[in-house]
Amino acid sequence: DADVTQTPRNRITKTGKRIMLECSQTKGHDRMYWYRQDPGLGLRLIYYSFDVKDINKGEISDGYSVSRQAQAKFSLSLESAIPNQTALYFCATRQSGANVLTFGAGSRLTVL
Amino acid sequence: GNSVTQMEGPVTLSEEAFLTINCTYTATGYPSLFWYVQYPGEGLQLLLKATKADDKGSNKGFEATYRKETTSFHLEKGSVQVSDSAVYFCALSGTGNQFYFGTGTSLTVIP
Repeated sequence: DADVTQTPRNRITKTGKRIMLECSQTKGHDRMYWYRQDPGLGLRLIYYSFDVKDINKGEISDGYSVSRQAQAKFSLSLESAIPNQTALYFCATRQSGANVLTFGAGSRLTVL
Repeated sequence: GNSVTQMEGPVTLSEEAFLTINCTYTATGYPSLFWYVQYPGEGLQLLLKATKADDKGSNKGFEATYRKETTSFHLEKGSVQVSDSAVYFCALSGTGNQFYFGTGTSLTVIP
């Protein structure tokens, strides 16, 4: 099994629908991140969490919310999806004190 | 603030050609610098890193040297292979341990 697992891998939905992307990890890392990847824009940080009780907004948090249900689980929600949220979403983890991110395989979301 | 600028792609090379992907950065303090690689359909993987000035990171034939005087961390490989086709991201980790990524450079190596 992958160290960082994202579900679903692909999702097509309609404008206005609520969507949840889930991330789970087996690395035991305390820090978890959600990034969005768009062509020509690279990766942009949406939210990050340093532990279960610590949630922080990133560069582009508007229109998104997150939940850190357990140390190993970090989910990203779009309450009312819109077409410009069509993108590839990555979850990443990091152990505090270590300077390396471990990424999941990505969740491709299309909002029609 | 912190930011990373890397050369625009896409880059297309013939097998065994020399590769350079330019990366420059702006940062406060003393950041760590990284190259990540994304193969088709996969997440990003760490390729190499350097944590202080003049350090050279290397892996799988790729190298990059942390140049503080020119604020650069250019990625090089002497002889690329078809299997090196991927998107390459330059990144830095600065104060507060936040990561900042470049826009990515797509490399295609043709036989």
